[in-house]
Amino acid sequence: AQSVTQLDSQVPVFEEAPVELRCNYSSSVSVYLFWYVQYPNQGLQLLLKYLSGSTLVKGINGFEAEFNKSQTSFHLRKPSVHISDTAEYFCAVSDGSGNQFYFGTGTSLTVIP
Amino acid sequence: GAVVSQHPSWVICKSGTSVKIECRSLDFQATTMFWYRQFPKQSLMLMATSNEGSKATYEQGVEKDKFLINHASLTLSTLTVTSAHPEDSSFYICSAKRVSFPDTQYFGPGTRLTVL
Repeated sequence: AQSVTQLDSQVPVFEEAPVELRCNYSSSVSVYLFWYVQYPNQGLQLLLKYLSGSTLVKGINGFEAEFNKSQTSFHLRKPSVHISDTAEYFCAVSDGSGNQFYFGTGTSLTVIP
Repeated sequence: GAVVSQHPSWVICKSGTSVKIECRSLDFQATTMFWYRQFPKQSLMLMATSNEGSKATYEQGVEKDKFLINHASLTLSTLTVTSAHPEDSSFYICSAKRVSFPDTQYFGPGTRLTVL
């Protein structure tokens, strides 16, 4: 079975500062990893995903994430955040079939002007 | 590409009535669609998985007679909340898998259901 832990439930950060949202997973099999963003009263939008290959994955809106197999982590980073990045961010792991997605509890990112 | 829509975006209904929520894949064919429920400030909980032309598979603890799912075509799945009660009030989100990219789920914008 897989599980996802997002260590920080809330992350406040000043505008134009860098941010890292942490995600750790546990799995006994190879996994695919995802980051989704949810704006208020909206569904989830795919930010980026890791399936294989390069461990540094670049996504939309200037976000990137690095897959670290030894630490079972997939932290999300952005070098300079904007007010519009204020949202809920979810890390998810899949077994690769696309049928079973396990979501973390989410991290609320608040960008302070 | 990979746009998923939901209708309605929000609905208010009286206790005891039934509500139907539609999930459509607008620019791709979805062999599999998923229905999630999200409580305030919480993560998504998978309710059921539906494949076109077959019965949905429900997660443990989800009442299949209360949450009726129909996946009649490759672009449309519906969730009907029957005899809704206030405790059914929630944010319902659907997602879909593309045939060409089966490893990823694409999510709809969600439907806010409020049962009075």
